[in-house]
Amino acid sequence: EVQLVESGGGLVQPGGSLRLSCAASGFTFSNYAMSWVRQAPGKGPEWVSVICGSDNNTYYADSVRGRFTISRDNSKNTLFLQLNSLRVEDTAVYYCAKAEGSSCYRSSDCWGQGTLVTVCS
Amino acid sequence: DVVVTQSPDSLAVSLGERATINCKSSQSVFHSSNNNNYLAWYQQKPGQPPKRLIFWASLRESGVPDRFSGSGSGTDFTLTISSLQAEDVAVYYCQQHYYTPFTFGQGTRLEIK
Repeated sequence: EVQLVESGGGLVQPGGSLRLSCAASGFTFSNYAMSWVRQAPGKGPEWVSVICGSDNNTYYADSVRGRFTISRDNSKNTLFLQLNSLRVEDTAVYYCAKAEGSSCYRSSDCWGQGTLVTVCS
Repeated sequence: DVVVTQSPDSLAVSLGERATINCKSSQSVFHSSNNNNYLAWYQQKPGQPPKRLIFWASLRESGVPDRFSGSGSGTDFTLTISSLQAEDVAVYYCQQHYYTPFTFGQGTRLEIK
């Protein structure tokens, strides 16, 4: 059974940093692209970033490019999202999601339960 | 960025009746080399992550009831629930994954009339 478990969320002041983790199990992690998607309270999902499974290429939403960094450790079956220079508008539940293939251009067939990031002073 | 627009924003349908949700992309998401439309539909219930229902615009996820179907190509897509059940109350989102950023529609809230 595929499982994705996010951790690392919390309360942080504007300008601060956090590192989110997503522990994956139940599939060959290195073979799949992985994404981060966030959802602000009462809003729809917003795609944040993806890392491909084949070549580790990465892509970002304009709203986070230069501040957030996606990475993966295939030896530990773990996906990361480094969040720097956090803003109040980054407050959201952050989900990790598995793509249905190694290509970044695949939809997400499995999602974790999310971790809440709250940015406020 | 590709803009994805859903209609309507909310919908109330009687149990057993048909529900139809539309999704329009500002650019075509059809890839001619593999004949696929890079469009997925998700269902989200309160307190839960989104759940994929439909991928490649018209393929149903394993375990999803066959009352759910997806159609369309290019820029215009539809999610149809043929006979609404109480457990289908949720917010539904479409997402294009052809152009980064992979944008979602604003969502359609489906309720029982």
